[in-house]
This record gives sequence, C-alpha cells and structure tokens, in this order.
Amino acid sequence: DTGVSQDPRHKITKRGQNVTFRCDPISEHNRLYWYRQTLGQGPEFLTYFQNEAQLEKSRLLSDRFSAERPKGSFSTLEIQRTEQGDSAMYLCASSPGNTIYFGEGSWLTVV
Amino acid sequence: EDQVTQSPEALRLQEGESSSLNCSYTVSGLRGLFWYRQDPGKGPEFLFTLYSAGEEKEKERLKATLTKKESFLHITAPKPEDSATYLCAAGRGGSEKLVFGKGTKLTVNP
Repeated sequence: DTGVSQDPRHKITKRGQNVTFRCDPISEHNRLYWYRQTLGQGPEFLTYFQNEAQLEKSRLLSDRFSAERPKGSFSTLEIQRTEQGDSAMYLCASSPGNTIYFGEGSWLTVV
Repeated sequence: EDQVTQSPEALRLQEGESSSLNCSYTVSGLRGLFWYRQDPGKGPEFLFTLYSAGEEKEKERLKATLTKKESFLHITAPKPEDSATYLCAAGRGGSEKLVFGKGTKLTVNP
C-alpha cells in the first residue's frame, strides 16, 4: 500500500500525558497537512508543511500542539498535557499539488 | 470568514433512487471545490476537484457540478455500497487550508 500511513491508529491516554502521532506521506509528495476531526463534524485544518517548512498554522493549534517535518519526509504531531477536549481523530494528508490524499487517521481518546 | 454548508445532514434512499447532495460555499477567490467520501472510522477518500463554475466531473454513479455559490453531487441509481458520508471542502487562493462542511450521511437501502 502506497497511501498515507499514520501511527498509531488508536491511542488512549490519561489527561495530562503527552502523545505523539507519526505520519508517513505518499512518496514524493512535498506537501503535508494535519487535520482534526470530531464525531459529526468535518475535518478542521491544523497545519501545513511544504517540504520541511511549516507554512500555515491554524489558530486551533494551541501552544500545547507542535508539529514537525524534519528533512521533509515523515511528520510528527505532538500534543502536550492532553485534555479531554483533545479527543478526536487526527488526520494526516499529503499532496503533490492541488489534490489532497488523506490517511486513515489516528484516534485519540483522553480519559 | 470562509464557510461551507452541506445539506441535507442525512439522506436515506432506496437502491436505484437517484438524488442530489448540496454544498453551499462562501469563499473568496475559490481555488478548488473538493468532494470526498468517508466510511465510518476511515479517512476521507478523494472523489473530485472542481475549479470553475460550469465544470462537471463524473465517476461511476457520481457526478459533481459547480456554480459560483454551490456544488452538487448527483447520485444516479445508487447501490448499498454507496452508503457513506460525503464531505465537501473549499480552498481559497493563497492558502493551503481546506474548509470542510459537516458532511451528508447517505444510506442506501437494498
């Protein structure tokens, strides 16, 4: 399978703990995105990378959230001091141009 | 503020009963209108991109159209396997951000 790969697919964590998600984009896609989706809602944009540069960030991305894409390949999204409101599916996507292809998502449950 | 509104929220059809889903958008400088299909617990699957008013695209039983304010996803003679949530998203020029609607949950009964 050569699609966008996300790991882990499911994570349950206690409130206050840190979590990190990894995304491996489709090979040669230089654009990478993170979105968040809660039940009954459409995905919400979090951030965008072109190669290793983080070029857009949403106001949704609070100080507790940080994303990186070292070397312009895989990306990580870290959430520090998790809160119950962080429970959601975190979607990674990549694009060679205008069309964005999503991964299967990483489900986060904060208890 | 950019906004995308989809209607209806949910739609039940009998197999073979054609219908349309609506996506209204308010985005300045639209660079593209995107349709995705999402199955429960999965990520969105790309269907179509429309770039300008009057454009149409087709794939199997699906046809997407675009006007200056709306997009429609027409489903012809749907089958149970077309059951899913259909998401519409709009992108504006100068930004990589897509603004999504809440989706239309389609159920096709055999």
